[in-house]
Amino acid sequence: EAGVAQSPRYKIIEKRQSVAFWCNPISGHATLYWYQQILGQGPKLLIQFQNNGVVDDSQLPKDRFSAERLKGVDSTLKIQPAKLEDSAVYLCASTDRGASYGYTFGSGTRLTVV
Amino acid sequence: RKEVEQDPGPFNVPEGATVAFNCTYSNSASQSFFWYRQDCRKEPKLLMSVYSSGNEDGRFTAQLNRASQYISLLIRDSKLSDSATYLCVVNNVGFKTIFGAGTRLFVKA
Repeated sequence: EAGVAQSPRYKIIEKRQSVAFWCNPISGHATLYWYQQILGQGPKLLIQFQNNGVVDDSQLPKDRFSAERLKGVDSTLKIQPAKLEDSAVYLCASTDRGASYGYTFGSGTRLTVV
Repeated sequence: RKEVEQDPGPFNVPEGATVAFNCTYSNSASQSFFWYRQDCRKEPKLLMSVYSSGNEDGRFTAQLNRASQYISLLIRDSKLSDSATYLCVVNNVGFKTIFGAGTRLFVKA
């Protein structure tokens, strides 16, 4: 079974620029998550999708972050404009059985904002 | 108080040692619990779920104490390959998943 695919692996941008990350979950997984992991911290949920609908985006900084999952499969996360504090690893995860069974993460996108 | 708290470590242990990590959570209504393992510069990977009755997977044993609101992970006969960060994860009502900041383990020869 192919895992969760993410791209790019690394991205360096200047502050105030925009950036987009892409995630393709495991085939058939209806639930998709975007997490932000700052160095030395645990992952923090940004947004959760169930198919193409948003379940939870309470911790998404909506003034600069947006995410979509138009066809209920792959997803993009965008930051516009980026700030220095957005430097982090952005992890995508998916599951077909709900969060109570744990889920599979992609390898992440490491963003550095300079 | 953080929703999920872990001792950040690092724990430095020799090969063959037994090491235990604890994790406390603040929401008494939390429903499910996990330990994830995260290697340096890699993504977290599910290590094991934690059940009220406790569960064991080889050298790893996880336990849940609902009364005291903590979960634990015990690693017996530590291997060099066990060196990683261990993340405690709690699912609350509505399946809000909270990750702890992790406990770093270094196993030395």
